[in-house]
Amino acid sequence: EPEVTQTPSHQVTQMGQEVILRCVPISNHLYFYWYRQILGQKVEFLVSFYNNEISEKSEIFDDQFSVERPDGSNFTLKIRSTKLEDSAMYFCASSDAGDKPEETQYFGPGTRLLVL
Amino acid sequence: DQQVKQNSPSLSVQEGRISILNCDYTNSMFDYFLWYKKYPAEGPTFLISISSIKDKNEDGRFTVFLNKSAKHLSLHIVPSQPGDSAVYFCAASEGSGSRLTFGEGTQLTVNP
Repeated sequence: EPEVTQTPSHQVTQMGQEVILRCVPISNHLYFYWYRQILGQKVEFLVSFYNNEISEKSEIFDDQFSVERPDGSNFTLKIRSTKLEDSAMYFCASSDAGDKPEETQYFGPGTRLLVL
Repeated sequence: DQQVKQNSPSLSVQEGRISILNCDYTNSMFDYFLWYKKYPAEGPTFLISISSIKDKNEDGRFTVFLNKSAKHLSLHIVPSQPGDSAVYFCAASEGSGSRLTFGEGTQLTVNP
């Protein structure tokens, strides 16, 4: 069964450093997403990406964040200058957004980011 | 942001009995609802979904009910099994390609 994969599984970084989180969405999917979950809090939407551009972003997704689809398979989230409060589990998701209104997002296993 | 709310942080049931997990929402533009199951240190795993044009969807032991007038949905698991022990998230979206808004999650424990 196809699945979303994410690397690395864990990332420890110093405050102010740049990190890149990587995702390989399910191959025939067209929509890609990043979410995060801070410990003890809800899963929160960050950004969605379709047709090589951002289709929607939340207020969390400020200028420190960027996304890219550098090739036909990878989807990346970059945090330019990490803050302590960026420590969270980051989940990538993808969906096959066809013409039907019901479209299920499938999630990867997550990257645990710890900013020291 | 309280658009999707799961009021019970935890639920404990005996193996073989029914588990009922509840979810309320406030945004009337939501038209697709999903339940995800999550184990610690893993990503959410899709379980079952329902479109706003339906009031019930069933898949094996799992049934989701939607009451649009009450803006309420529930997940029924019958019979419950110890392997069902996990955190269950309710999520909702406003249409194809749009963001998911999650509830807080309910920790289900099924005791043997």
